[in-house]
Parts: sequence; structure tokens; C-alpha cells
Amino acid sequence: DQQVKQNSPSLSVQEGRISILNCDYTNSMFDYFLWYKKYPAEGPTFLISISSIKDKNEDGRFTVFLNKSAKHLSLHIVPSQPGDSAVYFCAASGEVEGNMLTFGGGTRLMVKP
Amino acid sequence: NAGVTQTPKFQVLKTGQSMTLQCAQDMNHEYMSWYRQDPGMGLRLIHYSVGAGITDQGEVPNGYNVSRSTTEDFPLRLLSAAPSQTSVYFCASSGAGELFFGEGSRLTVL
Repeated sequence: DQQVKQNSPSLSVQEGRISILNCDYTNSMFDYFLWYKKYPAEGPTFLISISSIKDKNEDGRFTVFLNKSAKHLSLHIVPSQPGDSAVYFCAASGEVEGNMLTFGGGTRLMVKP
Repeated sequence: NAGVTQTPKFQVLKTGQSMTLQCAQDMNHEYMSWYRQDPGMGLRLIHYSVGAGITDQGEVPNGYNVSRSTTEDFPLRLLSAAPSQTSVYFCASSGAGELFFGEGSRLTVL
């Protein structure tokens, strides 16, 4: 059973609007969450992270929100740009696992000009 | 500025053949790992290593072997390839927290 789930396999957004990507997890021992971005024929690259002691982390156009009680996190991209079109993976780790990340299935974001 | 380097980028094997996917990193990271990416399943951990001489199994280790004789290198061996091992393989390394990935190796087993 997947411990990290991204229930939307794809998302289409107009340029300039907000993109919201969602992620749910089941393991209450997870305390560190990351988002990775992946372009075709490239490896995933780190985008933004959040520790469980926070409920929000912002980096430029990217903001990650964490709701621990709901075991849910989301990535907001504002404003969305065509260059943001990629597959986004949510990942989680716990203090015990350290560097070992558990990934969700990914969401393909398409930003239309 | 190489980072994590994987070879080969593409490989086609016949069922039963063996091969090794190479991975090297130049960031002096202790932690290295191998993931496979399959449609809808994200990236799943195959094997990992927390330092030279130390390896352990991840979520999907069956059919794969690893070794870590140096800090820089972490090869992944397929002992007897099966069609179920058709996938894209990513090597990653980490100093603390964030993983740095290679560009991937696309393997097809016929």
C-alpha cells in the first residue's frame, strides 16, 4: 500500500493562474516532506521542502503547505508559467529513515500559454 | 560540475542476461541510493548505502545486487534480467536531506 499518494495524475492550468498540487500520506512517522520536479529525460530536481514543525514554507513562486492532522500537503505555484510544465513528485521521510525518501506517484502539470 | 553520473543512458537486454548500471558522484556524499520509476508508481527505492562497505535493501530489492567499495561509486547489478525490470533507473546521492539525482538509465528487457 502506497504511503504517499498523489491522487491527481495530471493537472492543466492557464499561464498566470495558480497551480495547486496535492499529496496525502499515511505514515505518521514522516516528519520531513519534499517536492521534486522532473522534466522528460532528466532526473528529478529538488524544489522545496517543509519540516513537520512548520505548516508553511515559501520560496519565490512556490509555497508548500502542511496539514499534519489531515496528513496532507500541497504545493502552490503562483503565477504558473509554461516552464513549470513537468511532473511533480511529493516525497516524505522520517527521522529514522533519514535520507530514505518515499515518493508519491507524481502529478503531470501542464501550463498552457 | 558533474554531480551524479549514470551510465549507460539506454540499454536493451534479453531475458536472462545480466548487466551493471554504473553510478558515480563527485560530491563526497556518504548516502547513495537506486530508485526505479514506473508509470503511476513514482520512484521506488531498490537499494541504498550509507557509506563505503555498507549497503541495505529498499522497497523493491529482488533481482538486484549492489556494492559500495568507494564513496564515489555505487553500481547496480541485474543478475538475470526479466521483463518486469523494464523501467527507468535513477541513482541519487545525499549529504543531508536533499537527494541529488542522476539523469536516469532507461532499461528495456525483451
